[in-house]
Amino acid sequence: GIQVEQSPPDLILQEGANSTLRCNFSDSVNNLQWFHQNPWGQLINLFYIPSGTKQNGRLSATTVATERYSLLYISSSQTTDSGVYFCAVEQGDMRFGAGTRLTVKP
Amino acid sequence: GAVVSQHPSWVICKSGTSVKIECRSLDFQATTMFWYRQFPKQSLMLMATSNEGSKATYEQGVEKDKFLINHASLTLSTLTVTSAHPEDSSFYICSASPTGVYGYTFGSGTRLTVV
Repeated sequence: GIQVEQSPPDLILQEGANSTLRCNFSDSVNNLQWFHQNPWGQLINLFYIPSGTKQNGRLSATTVATERYSLLYISSSQTTDSGVYFCAVEQGDMRFGAGTRLTVKP
Repeated sequence: GAVVSQHPSWVICKSGTSVKIECRSLDFQATTMFWYRQFPKQSLMLMATSNEGSKATYEQGVEKDKFLINHASLTLSTLTVTSAHPEDSSFYICSASPTGVYGYTFGSGTRLTVV
C-alpha cells in the first residue's frame, strides 16, 4: 500500500517562530489533507490540498503532486498551535502519516 | 456543512461486554464511511470500510467477528466491539466524505476504556 512519511516527528518552537512540516507519499493520490489533532483527539481539517497552494491566516500549504510531497507552513507560531499535525492521503480510503508533534513554548 | 457526529464521546465498560459506537453524517448522505483506531501517541490506523447496504471490508489483522460494522442507512454506521478486552481500549474515529471536493470529515472520536 501507499507509504506516507512525515518529518520531523517532533518539533519544539519558541512562540513567534516559523516552521515547515513535510509529507512525502509513495504513489499518486486523489486527495491530500492536513489535520491538526487537538488534545481532546478532535481532528481539525486544515487544508484539502491535492495540488497547488492554499493559505488560511498564519497557515499555508503547498502540494507538488508530480513530486509526491506536501508542505505545511506555520508562521508566527502560538502556544495554541501545539498538538499533532497529520498528513493524510486518499486512494479510495485515507491513510495517515505518523504525524509531527509540535510544541510551542511561550 | 459536511458534519460527522459520533457518539458516545467516551465509554467505560467491563471486560467481556459489548459496546456500540455510532457515526452519523448530519447534512449529507454517505454510502461509505471509514472506521479508524488510534492508540496513545500513535497515528490513525484504518480498521474497516463501511458500505451502505453491504458487508464491510476489513483491513488485514482486524478481526471482523470482534468489530462488527453495520451501515444500514445512508447516514448511519455503527461499530460494535464485542466481548471487549482491555487491549481493545483505544480511541475510535469515524469519517465520511460528501463529495471529493471538500475531502473527508471526521467525527469527534470515542475513547473506549475496558476495565
